[in-house]
Amino acid sequence: GAGVSQTPSNKVTEKGKYVELRCDPISGHTALYWYRQSLGQGPEFLIYFQGTGAADDSGLPNDRFFAVRPEGSVSTLKIQRTERGDSAVYLCASSLGRGGRETQYFGPGTRLLVL
Amino acid sequence: AQKVTQAQTEISVVEKEDVTLDCVYETRDTTYYLFWYKQPPSGELVFLIRRNSFDEQNEISGRYSWNFQKSTSSFNFTITASQVVDSAVYFCALTDDYKLSFGAGTTVTVRA
Repeated sequence: GAGVSQTPSNKVTEKGKYVELRCDPISGHTALYWYRQSLGQGPEFLIYFQGTGAADDSGLPNDRFFAVRPEGSVSTLKIQRTERGDSAVYLCASSLGRGGRETQYFGPGTRLLVL
Repeated sequence: AQKVTQAQTEISVVEKEDVTLDCVYETRDTTYYLFWYKQPPSGELVFLIRRNSFDEQNEISGRYSWNFQKSTSSFNFTITASQVVDSAVYFCALTDDYKLSFGAGTTVTVRA
């Protein structure tokens, strides 16, 4: 079946602009995660959804970042007033359920560049 | 807090050589899960293996093998008879529930 998909694959924006990044998880996966990967580093956790609700948003760096998953499937990560330091690859993952026994499957990521 | 250390930043080998990637982890949890992911130049993280803390059996899958040792908090990964297609960044990760903590990754370059 289809894997996790993310759009756009690349996004270039100017400092101060608003961006939305979309994630379409694997069908039937109830858990969805966003991670951020800076150059030369491993991914870092941002937020976890179980169904429609954000069960853990402790990784969001500040209140300019927000994510939604209104129908329990597709999720959108929203970044307001972008800064150059927001430039990174934003990865989405999904899993069948919660917990370490459930493997997280990742999408190809969105490369965000803030000029 | 959980922490994963991949001390090797880069490894370069010639095709058909074996390569071992080190992963050392820290956790206070008694139940936890360890993972290896591969990230080829295309950027997508590809799942390779999951191991829980109660299963210390080593595992072999084709040319890949994993050595899990709780006594030394290590979960090392070996690629036997490496191929050019193995060139990628490899990440070790740890979780006790749902939040994955990743190491910094090891870049493997296999030269023909």
